[in-house]
Amino acid sequence: GAGVSQSPSNKVTEKGKDVELRCDPISGHTALYWYRQSLGQGLEFLIYFQGNSAPDKSGLPSDRFSAERTGGSVSTLTIQRTQQEDSAVYLCASSLVARANEQFFGPGTRLTVL
Amino acid sequence: KQEVTQIPAALSVPEGENLVLNCSFTDSAIYNLQWFRQDPGKGLTSLLLIQSSQREQTSGRLNASLDKSSGRSTLYIAASQPGDSATYLCAVAYGQNFVFGPGTRLSVLP
Repeated sequence: GAGVSQSPSNKVTEKGKDVELRCDPISGHTALYWYRQSLGQGLEFLIYFQGNSAPDKSGLPSDRFSAERTGGSVSTLTIQRTQQEDSAVYLCASSLVARANEQFFGPGTRLTVL
Repeated sequence: KQEVTQIPAALSVPEGENLVLNCSFTDSAIYNLQWFRQDPGKGLTSLLLIQSSQREQTSGRLNASLDKSSGRSTLYIAASQPGDSATYLCAVAYGQNFVFGPGTRLSVLP
């Protein structure tokens, strides 16, 4: 595709429910990143995928958060048993190769946990 | 641990002014530095990428410099316009991923 796409653009859920957020990176990009941006806060790194290597999960805030990347392309971020503090904008980015190249961001998914 | 700061936190200028945004990082072992803009409610748009071996990059009215040894980058915006109003973030490629600064919120008044 022309750019990174994310779905849904907005998600409202009740506390305790599970949610799945989707990211479609730019075709051919081997690196994919998930970030979280809370209101008034900077970008917080969550997880990073590079090709077929094991993902870097060092930024995930708790074991309720997980992510997978199928076929080296689409990625899904799953939050189980959502809490109100999970409310944020979740941003996905991809780059041709990790670190050396520009990151291109999707529009984000705004998650609201009631 | 890499820490990235940006000064000022917010800036309001009249249209037409030239302005400088600052980004500082604590560890000079970076691969590159990237400047982004973020409009309210939107994702990040890449502006400029400076590799660690480069000193500056230019795109239109934007010029970014990098001084790795002192841990600084500046983004220079010439002849500012109301459409430049946004939050500007810098990010350094460090270790396995990127570390972002908190951003500078810019308002250009007509």
